[in-house]
Amino acid sequence: QQPVQSPQAVILREGEDAVINCSSSKALYSVHWYRQKHGEAPVFLMILLKGGEQKGHDKISASFNEKKQQSSLYLTASQLSYSGTYFCGTEYTFGNEKLTFGTGTRLTIIP
Amino acid sequence: DVKVTQSSRYLVKRTGEKVFLECVQDMDHENMFWYRQDPGLGLRLIYFSYDVKMKEKGDIPEGYSVSREKKERFSLILESASTNQTSMYLCASSPIAGVGADTQYFGPGTRLTVL
Repeated sequence: QQPVQSPQAVILREGEDAVINCSSSKALYSVHWYRQKHGEAPVFLMILLKGGEQKGHDKISASFNEKKQQSSLYLTASQLSYSGTYFCGTEYTFGNEKLTFGTGTRLTIIP
Repeated sequence: DVKVTQSSRYLVKRTGEKVFLECVQDMDHENMFWYRQDPGLGLRLIYFSYDVKMKEKGDIPEGYSVSREKKERFSLILESASTNQTSMYLCASSPIAGVGADTQYFGPGTRLTVL
């Protein structure tokens, strides 16, 4: 079953912050985040393993709440280059090697 | 840099035709995946392979088959294309990390239209 992402779409002005959520109905081993710009392939952002860790990359960070079976992606002081569709990929079983992706969140940053 | 290439960016076929989508990766990755991407539905896994000649069904395997005769090449086959298979098809590969699923590297995609 696909994880549920929210919101489905969001429009922000440059410099504003965004939060994208990913919720699962099943226990998670890890959560992966990808960004796909229009007309391009999805590109890996970060992996979070169970344990409630938080990771950061430049002004993009993420948290993983194992108990709540959810992850959130935080985009701080958004830039035009952040526009795209964000997908979370969930790993339910360790060693399975496959991910189940959510339906995506389309983020549009306007000047 | 990891490179995943797909044989065509755009493909138009007729209902009932047999369709082959090819994917090649150059990083000696063990795992390869085929997804389809549809608006509002995200990325859905069709099949994946973790070794040559090995394959496992994903979430939506009906109407598709796959072939992996060489480590670097993974083919998706539509035995008899139907209009509901019109979609964007994405191939991906990943290494075996040993600590769970590793980063997937995606190809540019093939937009298939079935008339």
